[in-house]
Amino acid sequence: QKEVEQDPGPLSVPEGAIVSLNCTYSNSAFQYFMWYRQYSRKGPELLMYTYSSGNKEDGRFTAQVDKSSKYISLFIRDSQPSDSATYLCAHGRGNQGGKLIFGQGTELSVKP
Amino acid sequence: DTGVSQDPRHKITKRGQNVTFRCDPISEHNRLYWYRQTLGQGPEFLTYFQNEAQLEKSRLLSDRFSAERPKGSFSTLEIQRTEQGDSAMYLCASSFRGAASTDTQYFGPGTRLTVL
Repeated sequence: QKEVEQDPGPLSVPEGAIVSLNCTYSNSAFQYFMWYRQYSRKGPELLMYTYSSGNKEDGRFTAQVDKSSKYISLFIRDSQPSDSATYLCAHGRGNQGGKLIFGQGTELSVKP
Repeated sequence: DTGVSQDPRHKITKRGQNVTFRCDPISEHNRLYWYRQTLGQGPEFLTYFQNEAQLEKSRLLSDRFSAERPKGSFSTLEIQRTEQGDSAMYLCASSFRGAASTDTQYFGPGTRLTVL
């Protein structure tokens, strides 16, 4: 079993839709959680970072963490064609930082 | 541009050749990470440095791979005797880890390696 599971998609939605992207993880040692956006043939770009269970909002993006269920989500409101990219969840252990464990990534396409 | 930079952006080589990649982190970031990403997969950790010290190395990293960060600034990743299975995007990330910081990693554009 992979430490982090993420549905690879592809996910196609119309412009303006609310998008829900999800990851599950198996290791209780994970203490912080990130979402990265990656455009084709580019490096990942950090979108959201959170330590705790609950919601964190930044503009059109909301990250949700449920540590009891080992489940994290990213919601995108009013999706735009420019949001078309691969979304990667990433998990880190402990408060010393260090390596991130990534999900496979979900490919999102927002159609105008 | 004050982000992470990587050079070259693309490298095509023949099987058995050695290749070296360079990463320049964000100024004053004390941690530098190397990851590898194959098509349709998320990045996979290879190794990381805090200043000059290599703190962790993946068990998946064969002896053909070596990384250095001699002065605690830029880093190089060398692959010796390349194999076709080494074809991937090699990503570098940097972060600042201090007493109160969160070690948020910022990625460079990557070096795409193709081994023929």
